[in-house]
Amino acid sequence: QKEVEQNSGPLSVPEGAIASLNCTYSDRGSQSFFWYRQYSGKSPELIMFIYSNGDKEDGRFTAQLNKASQYVSLLIRDSQPSDSATYLCAEKYSGGGADGLTFGKGTHLIIQP
Amino acid sequence: GAGVSQSPSNKVTEKGKDVELRCDPISGHTALYWYRQSLGQGLEFLIYFQGNSAPDKSGLPSDRFSAERTGGSVSTLTIQRTQQEDSAVYLCASSLKASGRFQGELFFGEGSRLTVL
Repeated sequence: QKEVEQNSGPLSVPEGAIASLNCTYSDRGSQSFFWYRQYSGKSPELIMFIYSNGDKEDGRFTAQLNKASQYVSLLIRDSQPSDSATYLCAEKYSGGGADGLTFGKGTHLIIQP
Repeated sequence: GAGVSQSPSNKVTEKGKDVELRCDPISGHTALYWYRQSLGQGLEFLIYFQGNSAPDKSGLPSDRFSAERTGGSVSTLTIQRTQQEDSAVYLCASSLKASGRFQGELFFGEGSRLTVL
């Protein structure tokens, strides 16, 4: 049974600081990881994905993957109040005719003005 | 060109009644997923449809839950004899397999909020 673990928070970060969101996973064979953002009352939307060890940067967002330690991180630089949301970590599974994502419970991030 | 459409957006029902939730995926997306999200909880996988293949029903919590997908497009999730613990937001998502491979991006609808009194 694949599991993705996240600290539910809330994580409170002052505006302009770096927000660091972490996620661990149980399946050492997992290859692909995704970060979804979900605003209150809205549906999740994909913001980043990462397949390889190391860092991947996209604007103010950096995803980090460490397969040896089985953790994935999302860094948000220059945090803005509009970044306040729940961030869901997910890992991809494929096989047996089924493809999909296993989601963590999400981390609630609050950016304080 | 619309996104994933779900209806109703809100449903209040009495315990013991049956409910149907509808999902219209993005045109051309072959994969369709139903998830459930309870207050303060993550996304709980319910069922997955891919093309004409048999659905993956491994996430359905009980035999009161069923889903079908007609013509490879619209899907209906049915909950029979609803219980209070069924209260949640039911999210539908669709995705496209590029070159036969699932890329990992799910496009979600706005959800159907179910309240069982």
